[in-house]
Amino acid sequence: LAKTTQPISMDSYEGQEVNITCSHNNIATNDYITWYQQFPSQGPRFIIQGYKTKVTNEVASLFIPADRKSSTLSLPRVSLSDTAVYYCLVGDRGSTLGRLYFGRGTQLTVWP
Amino acid sequence: AAGVIQSPRHLIKEKRETATLKCYPIPRHDTVYWYQQGPGQDPQFLISFYEKMQSDKGSIPDRFSAQQFSDYHSELNMSSLELGDSALYFCASSLGTSGTGRYNEQFFGPGTRLTVL
Repeated sequence: LAKTTQPISMDSYEGQEVNITCSHNNIATNDYITWYQQFPSQGPRFIIQGYKTKVTNEVASLFIPADRKSSTLSLPRVSLSDTAVYYCLVGDRGSTLGRLYFGRGTQLTVWP
Repeated sequence: AAGVIQSPRHLIKEKRETATLKCYPIPRHDTVYWYQQGPGQDPQFLISFYEKMQSDKGSIPDRFSAQQFSDYHSELNMSSLELGDSALYFCASSLGTSGTGRYNEQFFGPGTRLTVL
């Protein structure tokens, strides 16, 4: 599976838009991209998933360029409660195994 | 909506003791995963079960074993506990690639915090 690289940490203020970029240079044709959020001492939670172009849901947007070698998670107007670790994961759509590979996530801290 | 249930939430054991962690997946989910997250670390996959059969195995020590029962709940058995086993243990369940339309969306439980003294 493609190795992912994200910033270790990011800081933002309430009300700002936050963009977290993940690099996955060796992504394969069959791979999809998923982002999870984890609060301290809680299990990770699915945020958004995409294969190409742009995906938007009620909490975030995911931008994937044509070459798919990176992806950007966009959180609009963050609040203090968005402080968490965000993980970018790459998975094989053709795999039946399903294990999730968590690399080093991005610790987002939102300040008042 | 029903979520993944894990018990106990906290567990304190001495070195060389045994521990059993339980996981109750979301109803109708057919796959259960176990992950270990050490202090300051990222979650690491241990083992998974699909329809009560082991489907995948990760970095699970030989001292650990797991199974999934006929009611789909799963148990992680840990023997000869070591200090390094202190961690958060998460169970997750999924419908695989069916149902939600999202590939391999896994729903995580609240975790069991194991402390080995």
